[in-house]
Amino acid sequence: AQSVSQHNHHVILSEAASLELGCNYSYGGTVNLFWYVQYPGQHLQLLLKYFSGDPLVKGIKGFEAEFIKSKFSFNLRKPSVQWSDTAEYFCAVNNLGSQGNLIFGKGTKLSVKP
Amino acid sequence: DVKVTQSSRYLVKRTGEKVFLECVQDMDHENMFWYRQDPGLGLRLIYFSYDVKMKEKGDIPEGYSVSREKKERFSLILESASTNQTSMYLCASSRQRQGGAFFGQGTRLTVV
Repeated sequence: AQSVSQHNHHVILSEAASLELGCNYSYGGTVNLFWYVQYPGQHLQLLLKYFSGDPLVKGIKGFEAEFIKSKFSFNLRKPSVQWSDTAEYFCAVNNLGSQGNLIFGKGTKLSVKP
Repeated sequence: DVKVTQSSRYLVKRTGEKVFLECVQDMDHENMFWYRQDPGLGLRLIYFSYDVKMKEKGDIPEGYSVSREKKERFSLILESASTNQTSMYLCASSRQRQGGAFFGQGTRLTVV
């Protein structure tokens, strides 16, 4: 069965530190990849997505992610985090062989200390 | 502005009650989803629907059913609520085969 693994449950950083959150998926076919963010008390929002083309995708708020097909990975990065980035981050995958079923990882909670 | 609207933000129900959670989207999306979100478990798919009257089981369908009579509306039904169904329930919609789902605000259900 298709699955998504996020390596870190909780990451704590100081402001201006660099961020990398890991995400690996198990499906071997063609996939679309997503990162979602959930700020405290708010609903899930799409941060960025990869469908095809350039494997380095840029999203909102200075986030970017790199799709490495050979590693089945789609890691999220940000060069310098801010306190306002404190949130929970979810990686998600949908395989194009399905009708559009979207599978999520368990999430990574990011806490940024001011 | 695109919208996925869930009928209730908070619900408290008694064990054994039949519970209906409603979700409406205004984007003419083919796909609609119901997830539950629990701390440390992420989002787990309960059911999804890719067309009117079409549905597929997700990872945790036991104890739940769904109804999609109209394209814009997707209902989640707890046939007989139990305390282990206390959770945050999230509805989402997307274009078929594109993912990029839009989420509602969630319904926090407490079963007592």
